[in-house]
Amino acid sequence: SAVISQKPSRDICQRGTSLTIQCQVDSQVTMMFWYRQQPGQSLTLIATANQGSEATYESGFVIDKFPISRPNLTFSTLTVSNMSPEDSSIYLCSVAQGSTDTQYFGPGTRLTVL
Amino acid sequence: KQEVTQIPAALSVPEGENLVLNCSFTDSAIYNLQWFRQDPGKGLTSLLLIQSSQREQTSGRLNASLDKSSGRSTLYIAASQPGDSATYLCAVRSPTGGFKTIFGAGTRLFVKA
Repeated sequence: SAVISQKPSRDICQRGTSLTIQCQVDSQVTMMFWYRQQPGQSLTLIATANQGSEATYESGFVIDKFPISRPNLTFSTLTVSNMSPEDSSIYLCSVAQGSTDTQYFGPGTRLTVL
Repeated sequence: KQEVTQIPAALSVPEGENLVLNCSFTDSAIYNLQWFRQDPGKGLTSLLLIQSSQREQTSGRLNASLDKSSGRSTLYIAASQPGDSATYLCAVRSPTGGFKTIFGAGTRLFVKA
């Protein structure tokens, strides 16, 4: 199974600033996924990041607000830009691996915007 | 558009009880269905994955079933323990829309000692 780490694990940020979240996987994967989990809610897919191409964003999410980098097959970053209190959420990195495409998740980054 | 529903939203049981968590989905054309556990403020831990061609999967005290024709999956937990207390999420991956994974809202389980 894939082992995924995320940095930072949590942060408290001021309105209008930006935060970059890092995701590191212990093996090479084609696709990495970024999710958001708002308080008391389930997971919502933000975007899918393939190495060597632009990320694909879901409806309601735009690149200017959530720019993503995918420089190699084991690493990705998600930036939350110009933050507002509504961006307070847990942000989760995920990969699908193996013949069954089992999905694995990182421990998440808990973001609080004041 | 695939929609995933989990019932009940919350469940409280005494230790030792067997329980069933339910997941339903609207589009039977699925690639796989995965059950996760999430502890408060934490990431997701994969419990079981059932492929489209399978009917059930077992791991220890957990058994997950899949009935595509009726759009249902169940997670059976035998002899529940306080350590089982967590939120359980059902996730369906569909080939339509680019193999996206759609999550249910989860069932919050509390096992009383």
